[in-house]
Amino acid sequence: QVQLQESGPGLVKPSQTLSLTCTVSGGSISSGGYYWSWIRQHPGKGLECIGYIYYSGSTYYNPSLRSRVTLSVDTSKNQFSLNLSSVTAADTAVYYCARGKYDGGSRDASDYWGQGTLVTVSS
Amino acid sequence: EIVLTQSPGTLSLSPGERATLSCRASQSVSNNYLAWYQQKPGQAPRLLISGISSRATGIPDRFSGSGSGTDFTLTISRLEPEDFAVYYCQQYGSSPPDTFGQGTTLEIK
Repeated sequence: QVQLQESGPGLVKPSQTLSLTCTVSGGSISSGGYYWSWIRQHPGKGLECIGYIYYSGSTYYNPSLRSRVTLSVDTSKNQFSLNLSSVTAADTAVYYCARGKYDGGSRDASDYWGQGTLVTVSS
Repeated sequence: EIVLTQSPGTLSLSPGERATLSCRASQSVSNNYLAWYQQKPGQAPRLLISGISSRATGIPDRFSGSGSGTDFTLTISRLEPEDFAVYYCQQYGSSPPDTFGQGTTLEIK
């Protein structure tokens, strides 16, 4: 059974960089056939796709966040990470990591999700 | 970016009743890349349906998806107490960024 677990600081100061890691267990990121996403949910609001990464390191970023987002993957640790720079209070949200299937030509919906981690941006 | 609009915002029904949730896209969703998720308070979203109508592993057959183009529907044939939650539609895979609807809250009447 695949499991994903987010980790990182729950409090980040304005203008600093938010850094989160998702650790995958029960499956190998480097086995291919999947894409790995970050999705956030503002308090009491809907869901927003931040971006996703393949085990090869290829990435896609939401244009609304592209200038501030960096995703990376560490196959040796079976982890992938999110860095979001220059944060403001508007970045306060629950951040989820998730996995979706990829067959080389198309992506499927995300079938496994982490439990989510609340990140608050405040001084 | 494809905008998804869900209706109604809130649906009040009783256990045993049939629920019909709607999702309308601002442009055609290609390749049937439309999914539905269920989210309960304090939990991550749970994939119910992908590819418009394919149930995810372990999802009961009272959940069904239908539609095409810009109009999609999630139907729950007979509501169980555990079905009361927030439901999101999502388009993915063809027109990035992936986007979600704003959600429909299914509450007990």
